[in-house]
Amino acid sequence: DAGVTQSPTHLIKTRGQQVTLRCSPKSGHDTVSWYQQALGQGPQFIFQYYEEEERQRGNFPDRFSGHQFPNYSSELNVNALLLGDSALYLCASTLDRGVGEAFFGQGTRLTVV
Amino acid sequence: GDSVTQMEGPVTLSEEAFLTINCTYTATGYPSLFWYVQYPGEGLQLLLKATKADDKGSNKGFEATYRKETTSFHLEKGSVQVSDSAVYFCALRETLTQGGSEKLVFGKGTKLTVNP
Repeated sequence: DAGVTQSPTHLIKTRGQQVTLRCSPKSGHDTVSWYQQALGQGPQFIFQYYEEEERQRGNFPDRFSGHQFPNYSSELNVNALLLGDSALYLCASTLDRGVGEAFFGQGTRLTVV
Repeated sequence: GDSVTQMEGPVTLSEEAFLTINCTYTATGYPSLFWYVQYPGEGLQLLLKATKADDKGSNKGFEATYRKETTSFHLEKGSVQVSDSAVYFCALRETLTQGGSEKLVFGKGTKLTVNP
């Protein structure tokens, strides 16, 4: 079982650019949640996707958007990048809208310069 | 909304020392509680969990008991090893307002360093 996989592992972007991060959930999982972990902080909930719809959003601006595909994989898009968007972005997969154990990927380290 | 407060770090211990990391929470209702561990350069791994009051979660020598009366879920280990060096996060699972979905709310994390 491959578990949760995220790509890329690291990337560097310039302020104002756009970025797309990708996540493949654990086999059999249908729900994907995205979290932002700033340096020295705990992960913060961005949003959750289930049945290809955004189910709930945390306190993040509309520059953060996402998508879920029929195979349950997901993308996180961030537009107009700011220096403050530099963080580790974690994807977590679960069954049925978050019930049950969440499995995390290794994350994507985004640096905005 | 719900929140988690955990002991500020960093914590530095010698091998075989006793470990306690305090965690308290604020929540409506009775959330499930978790401890996650993050090793350098990696994502989060579930260490242990408890789903109702007085439940004790345990794994790899770590333990935590869900205390409703004190809204706490302190992490303990009787004898730490160098390999336990990592960042530990306390979390609760909160039911979202829409569609019955659930999300995790994390504390800020406590960095543990164990020296030989």
